[in-house]
Amino acid sequence: QKEVEQDPGPLSVPEGAIVSLNCTYSNSAFQYFMWYRQYSRKGPELLMYTYSSGNKEDGRFTAQVDKSSKYISLFIRDSQPSDSATYLCAIRPGANNLFFGTGTRLTVIP
Amino acid sequence: EPEVTQTPSHQVTQMGQEVILRCVPISNHLYFYWYRQILGQKVEFLVSFYNNEISEKSEIFDDQFSVERPDGSNFTLKIRSTKLEDSAMYFCASSEAGQGPEAFFGQGTRLTVV
Repeated sequence: QKEVEQDPGPLSVPEGAIVSLNCTYSNSAFQYFMWYRQYSRKGPELLMYTYSSGNKEDGRFTAQVDKSSKYISLFIRDSQPSDSATYLCAIRPGANNLFFGTGTRLTVIP
Repeated sequence: EPEVTQTPSHQVTQMGQEVILRCVPISNHLYFYWYRQILGQKVEFLVSFYNNEISEKSEIFDDQFSVERPDGSNFTLKIRSTKLEDSAMYFCASSEAGQGPEAFFGQGTRLTVV
């Protein structure tokens, strides 16, 4: 059983669109949920994280966790070409490691 | 802004050779990690390190892998006898505290085994 699953895309949207990226996870005990952004041939960069359920907003980005359905989402409002990257969801099952999704490759078309 | 730095950026080695990948974590961080990403696949956890010992490792991290913090700043991953399937991007990461989620990643070392 995979710990976290993510649609790999690719996803192409026009500039200004609202983007919705999603993951599902397997273990209801998970508490920390992260979104990383990865540009080509670079390391993952932490965008946002949420602890337990609920929403968290940071500028154009909103992270959402629904623990009842084991579903995590990242919304990007007013998407920009500079948002083009691979977005990785990750969960932290314990203190010492992260389980990543496969990543969704996003292209925002000017 | 402090960052995790990794060297070299690209390493080519022959099958069976030993390689050492180097990382300088962020200076006040206490937890260190290695992850790898095979081309086109997900980022996978290898090992975490705290207080000069391994705190957790995955099943990928077998006897051919080892980690070391040889001095106060460097954190290394050694692969003793490389195989073709070890070709991947290797990412070092560090965090201030193990319980918090904010692990910061380096730019990665691309290892190519030929």
